[in-house]
Amino acid sequence: QKEVEQNSGPLSVPEGAIASLNCTYSDRGSQSFFWYRQYSGKSPELIMFIYSNGDKEDGRFTAQLNKASQYVSLLIRDSQPSDSATYLCAVTDGSARQLTFGSGTQLTVLP
Amino acid sequence: SQTIHQWPATLVQPVGSPLSLECTVEGTSNPNLYWYRQAAGRGLQLLFYSVGIGQISSEVPQNLSASRPQDRQFILSSKKLLLSDSGFYLCACETGVGQPQHFGDGTRLSIL
Repeated sequence: QKEVEQNSGPLSVPEGAIASLNCTYSDRGSQSFFWYRQYSGKSPELIMFIYSNGDKEDGRFTAQLNKASQYVSLLIRDSQPSDSATYLCAVTDGSARQLTFGSGTQLTVLP
Repeated sequence: SQTIHQWPATLVQPVGSPLSLECTVEGTSNPNLYWYRQAAGRGLQLLFYSVGIGQISSEVPQNLSASRPQDRQFILSSKKLLLSDSGFYLCACETGVGQPQHFGDGTRLSIL
């Protein structure tokens, strides 16, 4: 069974700090990797996706992928209270047709 | 970019009653469509996906069913709801294999 594991948290960081969110996955054939942000009571919102090993930066967000270690992470620089949310890691299977979600990490950014 | 409409936003239904949730998509053609359920404090569980009109794949055995009568319409149904059907139901759209999925606003379903 394909699994995506995340620390459930809660993870607390002070405003302005770097928040680091981690995710491991079990399917070595996984091809696409996504990070979603979900505010309480709302639907998930895509914030980053990465397909190749290495880093991908978009504003304050950096996604990092290491396929050999089956590990993907999300860094949030200069964290803001508005970043407080649950972050969901999602990974496609080898056929890239199905998405498996982790249970999410709850992030709180303290003012 | 595509827009995903879901309704209703919230729904309270008695045990044993029927269910119909609708999802429609604008701004794209021939999308892959998905129904997920999220229990409180949990991750997303894939229920159904569809790659085209009339094509439905089910991921888990359950008393729910799905239909895709039109290219951009995806319907989730049940003949008799169970207490365990409570949750946050999300419709998602994907424009191509491996592309990001985008979600509608969801329907919060409570079963009494």
